[in-house]
Amino acid sequence: DSGVTQTPKHLITATGQRVTLRCSPRSGDLSVYWYQQSLDQGLQFLIQYYNGEERAKGNILERFSAQQFPDLHSELNLSSLELGDSALYFCASSPSRDSPLHFGNGTRLTVT
Amino acid sequence: DQQVKQNSPSLSVQEGRISILNCDYTNSMFDYFLWYKKYPAEGPTFLISISSIKDKNEDGRFTVFLNKSAKHLSLHIVPSQPGDSAVYFCAATPRNRDDKIIFGKGTRLHILP
Repeated sequence: DSGVTQTPKHLITATGQRVTLRCSPRSGDLSVYWYQQSLDQGLQFLIQYYNGEERAKGNILERFSAQQFPDLHSELNLSSLELGDSALYFCASSPSRDSPLHFGNGTRLTVT
Repeated sequence: DQQVKQNSPSLSVQEGRISILNCDYTNSMFDYFLWYKKYPAEGPTFLISISSIKDKNEDGRFTVFLNKSAKHLSLHIVPSQPGDSAVYFCAATPRNRDDKIIFGKGTRLHILP
C-alpha cells in the first residue's frame, strides 16, 4: 500500500460530460502529481501541485483542470469528455523534490 | 517529442538469468533517473534511482547503470524471479530545475519458468 488513495477506482461516463477524480496523498507529502496512461502509452505528465500551488504543467488539455486544497488532497476535473479521454489516471505524491513518487492505484475512466 | 524512450515493448527472460531493460533519453538537462515497476491493476512502485553524478547504483538484485555520454541507462535484474514479471517504466527529471518527471512507455518483462 503506497498510502496514496484515489477515488473512484472506475468511472464510466458519456461524451460531453464532466467528472472529478480525487486523490489523497500520503500523510505529510506536499507534492501531488497527476499522470494519464492511455492504451500503449507511457505515463503522460499532466500537472503538479506543491502545497496548494501549481508547480509544473505538462500536456494537460484546456478541458482539464486541477487543484490542491488546504488539506493537501487534490482533484482533477475533466470536462467536455471525448472518447479519447478514456484512460487510467494516476495520482502520485512525494514529500520533496529529492524523493521518488508514490503512486495510487489509479482511476480508470471510460468515456462511451 | 518523446524525451524518454524505452524501445523494447516487451522482453522475455528465463528464470534465474539476467534481465536487462534499456532506456534512452534526449534531454541533456535530465540529472536524476528512476525505475518504476507496475503490476496490473496497481499503480507504479518505485524501484531504484540514480543521480547523474554516479554511473552505477545497486540495491539487492537490482542495478541501474547510467552512461551520460550516450544518454542511456539500463536496469539489470539478477537473478530474475517470477515475481519480477511486470511492466518497468524508466523516468527522468531535471531535478533541480523543475518538477516534471517524464516517463517512458514501459517495457513488459516476462520471466519464463
